Amino acid sequence: KAGVTQTPRYLIKTRGQQVTLSCSPISGHRSVSWYQQTPGQGLQFLFEYFSETQRNKGNFPGRFSGRQFSNSRSEMNVSTLELGDSALYLCASSPFGRVDRGRETQYFGPGTRLLVL
Amino acid sequence: KQEVTQIPAALSVPEGENLVLNCSFTDSAIYNLQWFRQDPGKGLTSLLLIQSSQREQTSGRLNASLDKSSGRSTLYIAASQPGDSATYLCAEEENRDDKIIFGKGTRLHILP
Repeated sequence: KAGVTQTPRYLIKTRGQQVTLSCSPISGHRSVSWYQQTPGQGLQFLFEYFSETQRNKGNFPGRFSGRQFSNSRSEMNVSTLELGDSALYLCASSPFGRVDRGRETQYFGPGTRLLVL
Repeated sequence: KQEVTQIPAALSVPEGENLVLNCSFTDSAIYNLQWFRQDPGKGLTSLLLIQSSQREQTSGRLNASLDKSSGRSTLYIAASQPGDSATYLCAEEENRDDKIIFGKGTRLHILP
């Protein structure tokens, strides 16, 4: 079974631009979560999507948004980029989300490294 | 604010030694606690997941324990190997909502 894939792997943008990151979950997984990882703040939860609906959201400004498609693929968008948005963005999938996470963990992709200049 | 703390931030030990990584959390009403491994520039790999009703989980040379009353979890690595060098993160999933809170990790270096 193929793992979680994320595209692109690396991205360089300038302040004020917007960016869209893509995540393809493991086949059959319906839950996709997004995380931001920075050296200062560590790994922080952005949001989770399940069956095309945002089920949970972390404490990030509205510039961060996402969506999930009927095939469970998910995209994350960041508008009006700031220098502090430079980070590794990770997505993770699981079959059913929280109900299943009691028994089975999430599976993480390799991440998209975003550099904002 | 719920927090997960990992001490130490970095650790170097000679190959072959047994070691313990520590994780503490402020929310005793957790849903589960997980330990992950992250290699440089890569995503996370789940090592062990302990449900709130469990006290420990074992996988090979790894053993993770959970003490909700004291808000602590430990990851025990037996007979360490250079391939164990990585950053180890613990994460607690809250019972109140579906959010997962990560510690900042312990960067482990096994000296050959």
